[in-house]
Amino acid sequence: NAGVTQTPKFRILKIGQSMTLQCTQDMNHNYMYWYRQDPGMGLKLIYYSVGAGITDKGEVPNGYNVSRSTTEDFPLRLELAAPSQTSVYFCASSHNEASTDTQYFGPGTRLTVL
Amino acid sequence: AQTVTQSQPEMSVQEAETVTLSCTYDTSESDYYLFWYKQPPSRQMILVIRQEAYKQQNATENRFSVNFQKAAKSFSLKISDSQLGDAAMYFCAYWNTGNQFYFGTGTSLTVIP
Repeated sequence: NAGVTQTPKFRILKIGQSMTLQCTQDMNHNYMYWYRQDPGMGLKLIYYSVGAGITDKGEVPNGYNVSRSTTEDFPLRLELAAPSQTSVYFCASSHNEASTDTQYFGPGTRLTVL
Repeated sequence: AQTVTQSQPEMSVQEAETVTLSCTYDTSESDYYLFWYKQPPSRQMILVIRQEAYKQQNATENRFSVNFQKAAKSFSLKISDSQLGDAAMYFCAYWNTGNQFYFGTGTSLTVIP
């Protein structure tokens, strides 16, 4: 099992550009999450999904969109990049609710918006 | 909104000694879970230990144990027999039934040989 994979590892965007952060898991997990981690801070939940076709907002969803067309993939879309979106983005998955099951994290994507 | 506070930005411990990392949280919920995650330089988040709020017994995982004080809203992590591989950022986290995670700002742990 590769676990949770994220691409790209690094990306620099200009203000106003768009991009999609990819996240794939091969563990057949139902739950998937997107977090951002700003320098010196803890993770903040952006969006989560409890299964294919179902997504919901987390603590900081503004400026992002997600979709979950398959169990394996949970891409995060930035439509109009802003400097405030400079952060490290983590994708995670768990078989059941994260309260009862281990979350497996990907290696992260470091995004800089200039 | 729930908040998680880690008041120790940095801690250090001698190898083989014991260290305690502090965490407090604020909530009006009665049903929730608390976690400690470890983030090494590789940046991956690794679950260390989990505590259900309805359980009075403190969770333990090998050298890692917690002191859960529900009334005081305190959730500290004790690492016994510290090893060089324990050096990392440690994050305290809170989860409620709304499927929302809240993380503290982290404590950087240095293990001195």
